[in-house]
Amino acid sequence: GAVVSQHPSRVICKSGTSVKIECRSLDFQATTMFWYRQFPKKSLMLMATSNEGSKATYEQGVEKDKFLINHASLTLSTLTVTSAHPEDSSFYICSATGDLTEQYFGPGTRLTVT
Amino acid sequence: RKEVEQDPGPFNVPEGATVAFNCTYSNSASQSFFWYRQDCRKEPKLLMSVYSSGNEDGRFTAQLNRASQYISLLIRDSKLSDSATYLCVVPRSLGFQKLVFGTGTRLLVSP
Repeated sequence: GAVVSQHPSRVICKSGTSVKIECRSLDFQATTMFWYRQFPKKSLMLMATSNEGSKATYEQGVEKDKFLINHASLTLSTLTVTSAHPEDSSFYICSATGDLTEQYFGPGTRLTVT
Repeated sequence: RKEVEQDPGPFNVPEGATVAFNCTYSNSASQSFFWYRQDCRKEPKLLMSVYSSGNEDGRFTAQLNRASQYISLLIRDSKLSDSATYLCVVPRSLGFQKLVFGTGTRLLVSP
């Protein structure tokens, strides 16, 4: 199957700093990428949909100025958590699709804000 | 009613047992459904897709009941390696790729 990578896999940062997470499709061109967040023992929640070359579409309740998404190429999307706080600590997972059928998930990034 | 609802479990079963999970969904217009498997601290992996009445793949059978708006997943001859959380996933009708995940049902298979 298709491969999606995320970097870093784990990050610890201090409150008030910004963190960038990268999502790459390694063997296909991803026209659409999705960013999810998963809190412990909770379901994955879609944060935003990102299409290459255009602005991301955010789900209700997700602050676009806090979670900056850039999808500059067909193989890379980035999520920047700005001015991170402890409540932003979560598991962030991206997924990518090229033909709007199956989504391929990245391995996730575990963010801990101290 | 939640968009997608699952019994969180855990379901504790011995090896070789048959176990079934149910999932209910609220959007009667939904056309496709998925079961994903998620291991602890890992990304979800697609297990089965369900587009019509059901689907079968080896020990796994998924069934769809549109009238009652539920999907089931049956696992036969459980293996230790089946221990995981099983996520019921339903795309939103207005955006096929916007997936709504259930909270998952945890399965523990013991020797």
